[in-house]
Amino acid sequence: SQQGEEDPQALSIQEGENATMNCSYKTSINNLQWYRQNSGRGLVHLILIRSNEREKHSGRLRVTLDTSKKSSSLLITASRAADTASYFCATDSGAGSYQLTFGKGTKLSVIP
Amino acid sequence: DAGITQSPRHKVTETGTPVTLRCHQTENHRYMYWYRQDPGHGLRLIHYSYGVKDTDKGEVSDGYSVSRSKTEDFLLTLESATSSQTSVYFCAIKPGTSGGDEQFFGPGTRLTVL
Repeated sequence: SQQGEEDPQALSIQEGENATMNCSYKTSINNLQWYRQNSGRGLVHLILIRSNEREKHSGRLRVTLDTSKKSSSLLITASRAADTASYFCATDSGAGSYQLTFGKGTKLSVIP
Repeated sequence: DAGITQSPRHKVTETGTPVTLRCHQTENHRYMYWYRQDPGHGLRLIHYSYGVKDTDKGEVSDGYSVSRSKTEDFLLTLESATSSQTSVYFCAIKPGTSGGDEQFFGPGTRLTVL
């Protein structure tokens, strides 16, 4: 079963705008991770936030985590055409061996 | 791709035939994973390994088996392929406990079962 559910499923914005994607999950977690996938490629890790953290930044990325609501958001500021990709959240529930459960993803299109 | 290769990259096979996909890593990482990716489902874990000869089932393991006889290779076998196993298969690794908790993915294998 899917642990994370991203919202929206698809998002289209103009270059320079900010993009916000949300992820909800069902069980307690050790950490939550965001990955990007360009069309036809493997996933690339973007950022990890631990259950005792509320916000984390990496370059143009900002991730928040609300464990009381079991939700996370990924903000990409000043988007570029190269940010066009699918974005997935993944949760590590601590079940062992660092297993991740992925959501279905948000497909982001950044229009030049 | 963090030194991860998958072979073959593309394969077309017929229902009922056995298929083996290979994941090879060059950095002796302990943890390795096999996922499948299907439209509308995201990535789902098939099997994973936490060391040589140490493997366990994931969420969608039915119809799949794995083997890890060497640190660098993790094999995924479909004993008798079915059309429902048409998918893109990704291998991933996680560095040992001294590394971060993120996973690094290979380029994927696109499998079509006719």
